[in-house]
Formats: sequence, C-alpha cells, structure tokens
Amino acid sequence: DTAVSQTPKYLVTQMGNDKSIKCEQNLGHDTMYWYKQDSKKFLKIMFSYNNKELIINETVPNRFSPKSPDKAHLNLHINSLELGDSAVYFCASSQIGWPYGYTFGSGTRLTVV
Amino acid sequence: RKEVEQDPGPFNVPEGATVAFNCTYSNSASQSFFWYRQDCRKEPKLLMSVYSSGNEDGRFTAQLNRASQYISLLIRDSKLSDSATYLCVANGENYGQNFVFGPGTRLSVLP
Repeated sequence: DTAVSQTPKYLVTQMGNDKSIKCEQNLGHDTMYWYKQDSKKFLKIMFSYNNKELIINETVPNRFSPKSPDKAHLNLHINSLELGDSAVYFCASSQIGWPYGYTFGSGTRLTVV
Repeated sequence: RKEVEQDPGPFNVPEGATVAFNCTYSNSASQSFFWYRQDCRKEPKLLMSVYSSGNEDGRFTAQLNRASQYISLLIRDSKLSDSATYLCVANGENYGQNFVFGPGTRLSVLP
C-alpha cells in the first residue's frame, strides 16, 4: 500500500506545453506539500495545503497552480513549461505537530526539452 | 545566509567507522528538527526526529544545541548501506509546518 503516490514518475515534454502531476495520500494526513529538487539537489518548498486550503505559497511563477479537490489529493498543474522547470517534483504529506515529519512520494522527474 | 546549512561532503569512511555530521539553522524560533536520508534518485525518508534532550535510535544519535543553533547526527559502526545523502531539516520562518531542508551531506561507506 503506497502511502503517498505520485503520477507520472517520469515526464518528458516540450517547452510551451501544459502538464499536470497528480498526488494522493492514504495516510489520513491533513497537510500536503509540493517540493522541487533541482539539479543541485536543493529541496525547496513550493506550496502547502492544509485541509484543502492553501497555507504556503512560496515565490513560484504563477504558471504553477496547485489544486486540492480534497485533503487526500494535491495536484500540480504547470502552464507554458520552460527549460528551467526541469527538476524532480516531490509531493509530501504530514500530520500537524511534533514529532511528525513528512512522508514523501517517489517523485516525478520532469524534463523539458 | 541560508536557513539550514550543511557541509556537502562527500564523507568517505571505511565500514565500521564512526562519522558525525553537523548542521546549522538560522531561525532561532525553529522548534522542529529532523534528519532525513535520501538515496540516489529516490525520495527523502525520515531517519529521526531530533529531540531537545538528544535521542538515539540504534547506531544513530541526534543532538540539538539550541544556544549555538546546530544539530548533529552521529552514525556508529557504519555499514555499506548507510551510503546516502543526509538532509538536515528545521521548520522555517513564518510557518510552523514549513520545513526547510539543508543541501545534504553525502556519505560513502567504503568496504
């Protein structure tokens, strides 16, 4: 039983295209996140949703739009893809409070050509 | 100054060695600290939460020094399977649940 599942695992697409990445968690967590890990391996938060409400929106181009239809799902839609968007995108979920850390999905490796 | 800093390594150690990593954080209000492990081309996985009094889990010991704002991870009796990147995490400014990841320290345990 996969706790946090993301699809697709790999995504190769051309510049200018629009693409979506889906994420689902079956852990009953209230909070879900999108993180980006670039070629230098830095993991940076993009968005956080708590019970379907956006609580963190870091400085991310507005071509990136998260959508949370319910607390078990957080999808990421990207418009007009650019070369610099190539990275690994990780979805994660957590319970609020200590000592709960994140559970990550296996990542989506996005390559824009 | 980055919010969470780590020595990127790599640390190359022989099997059986003891190795320690340090990490510093900039937000004095941070309350939650963790160590994650990330294998190549895999997702980060929680290794340990870091308690203010320090805590141990088998061969792994984590310590927190609030005064100096650093966290450490000690690995005793290193195994080949410990080879990975170790990510230090602290909750960031403004958001209690916004966890900021350090750049990671790469460990290679050699036979």
